[in-house]
Amino acid sequence: NAGVTQTPKFRILKIGQSMTLQCTQDMNHNYMYWYRQDPGMGLKLIYYSVGAGITDKGEVPNGYNVSRSTTEDFPLRLELAAPSQTSVYFCASRDRGSTEAFFGQGTRLTVV
Amino acid sequence: AQSVTQPDIHITVSEGASLELRCNYSYGATPYLFWYVQSPGQGLQLLLKYFSGDTLVQGIKGFEAEFKRSQSSFNLRKPSVHWSDAAEYFCAVGDTGGSYIPTFGRGTSLIVHP
Repeated sequence: NAGVTQTPKFRILKIGQSMTLQCTQDMNHNYMYWYRQDPGMGLKLIYYSVGAGITDKGEVPNGYNVSRSTTEDFPLRLELAAPSQTSVYFCASRDRGSTEAFFGQGTRLTVV
Repeated sequence: AQSVTQPDIHITVSEGASLELRCNYSYGATPYLFWYVQSPGQGLQLLLKYFSGDTLVQGIKGFEAEFKRSQSSFNLRKPSVHWSDAAEYFCAVGDTGGSYIPTFGRGTSLIVHP
């Protein structure tokens, strides 16, 4: 039972490069979330999705894009990487009718 | 807007001692409340949650938390800490409007001395 899987685990980007953080879940959950975690700041919501084809902005969406073409996958796209996007990124999912979110192990991204 | 305050950035306790981690929330109605634990290099794991009913909730790993509406608090407790409890602990409040989006506090780092 894989749960929520994030790839890659680590990545170093140069300023201006782009990349996609992958997130997939095998629990058939409707809700999926992307958070970023910065030291002493807790987790901030970037984007979320309530189902395939539906996405919405969270608290800190600038510089990011998402898509949700399938129930399983919720990739996060950085188009022009900036040092301010250095962070640990967590993907989470939740079943409709449940309030418990399941988290992936995170992607540590450094932009230099 | 909902918010969570964890006033302690770090807490240090000796192994075997009792533990209380503080959490205060701001929400317009009865909230959904959560405590998550994050071990180094890992994702977040749910310890316990409160939705309604008994204000004292039991969780995994011997943790419990008490919801106090009058104090807008949801403090996490454990009677005897083990070295393996050293981790980052996050309190979160969930939106009860349907999307249940959790808003997290900044976290409290627990250090356990032998």
